[in-house]
Amino acid sequence: DIVMTQSPDSLAVSLGERATINCKSSQSVLYSSNNKNYLAWYQQKPGQPPKLLIYWASTRESGVPDRFSGSGSATDFTLTISSLQAEDVAVYYCQQYYSPSYTFGQGTKLEIK
Amino acid sequence: QVQLVESGGGVVQPGRSLRLSCAASGFTFSSYGMHWVRQAPGKGLEWVAVISYDGGNKYYVDSVKGRFTISRDNSKNTLYLQMNSLRAEDTAVYYCAKGGSSGWNIWFGPWGQGTLVTVSS
Repeated sequence: DIVMTQSPDSLAVSLGERATINCKSSQSVLYSSNNKNYLAWYQQKPGQPPKLLIYWASTRESGVPDRFSGSGSATDFTLTISSLQAEDVAVYYCQQYYSPSYTFGQGTKLEIK
Repeated sequence: QVQLVESGGGVVQPGRSLRLSCAASGFTFSSYGMHWVRQAPGKGLEWVAVISYDGGNKYYVDSVKGRFTISRDNSKNTLYLQMNSLRAEDTAVYYCAKGGSSGWNIWFGPWGQGTLVTVSS
């Protein structure tokens, strides 16, 4: 199975500052035939189900604020929140959907400094 | 809008069975693959099972193979998870999630609110 590893495990950022979360896959999730990265990011707020933020590594889901962006390719990916808002406090997960084991990273807890 | 409502969770003894349901609305249920994902208390997300749009294909995480069965009734817009031989380590909130398309290799969204399964004697 593809192992997804996020860093850091937790992160404290001041309001209005940039937050960066990294995700590394144990093998490439870039499908060469269509040049797409099979990587998604989810946000889970306390007591709520996960919410899709980004798919194809960099495509924002409809309704997601543009302060959220995804980048990277093959095995190394990044979720960036350009200007942290109070409502962004959550746990963030990356997930590969390249293979039908659909593995998630362990999660990164984002808090306000 | 898309709505997924899970039910069937509860407290069950080790070795017993439970069936979860997920009632779907707001989209053409028969056109999308569907998933079950679980989250143990205070832990991360673990994908459990997927079923194709027509029910013809299914995949499971290794830890539930032979014990859990995913199924769907497209006439009732409902997804199921039959869980047999339950173990303490199956204790979790179980979420159903819609696949992003009919294909296998696709993201999940949206998700239901989840139903808690507690396996304890």
